[in-house]
Amino acid sequence: QQQVKQSPQSLIVQKGGISIINCAYENTAFDYFPWYQQFPGKGPALLIAIRPDVSEKKEGRFTISFNKSAKQFSLHIMDSQPGDSATYFCAAFPPDKLIFGTGTRLQVFP
Amino acid sequence: DSGVTQTPKHLITATGQRVTLRCSPRSGDLSVYWYQQSLDQGLQFLIQYYNGEERAKGNILERFSAQQFPDLHSELNLSSLELGDSALYFCASSVMESGANVLTFGAGSRLTVL
Repeated sequence: QQQVKQSPQSLIVQKGGISIINCAYENTAFDYFPWYQQFPGKGPALLIAIRPDVSEKKEGRFTISFNKSAKQFSLHIMDSQPGDSATYFCAAFPPDKLIFGTGTRLQVFP
Repeated sequence: DSGVTQTPKHLITATGQRVTLRCSPRSGDLSVYWYQQSLDQGLQFLIQYYNGEERAKGNILERFSAQQFPDLHSELNLSSLELGDSALYFCASSVMESGANVLTFGAGSRLTVL
């Protein structure tokens, strides 16, 4: 109940393509769903986040889609760029701590 | 620079030893979280402090302990170190934004146990 399942583990996309990363959760007490981006040697940095009362949130090329009934949410990166190459973590907040998915390593090739 | 400061950046030590990792949160943030990141385990929540008091505990080993001081900086103490403790240790601090607890991470402390 305290897990967040993330897929795929790794993703290779061509420049300009769409990158899609999926996550699923079980605990309906989770009330905040952020995505973090981590570059090698750096700490995770907040990318975009959504609350369960919203089905979609878009910030630039990054969009979160949220399906409350299915308990799933996904990150879409439009027009993927080589600079987007990083590890992406979905997460959920069950009010006292942030639980992370296992991460997706994204590689965008020119 | 995220505003969360972690020291040391790198630490190499031997099995059986004890180390202390230090974290200074962003100015104004009262909560501090510690996470462990290893290659095969992802980001594992260890412990959270809020204004000096322990708030939540995750999969933190008994050999590990932490505290948050009156000036809000926090220390994570790792003792009787084992090879498997080699990992990146991240500290994060948080602030409430629009009703959500937003965590900001430091750059991490890389611990290597030989």
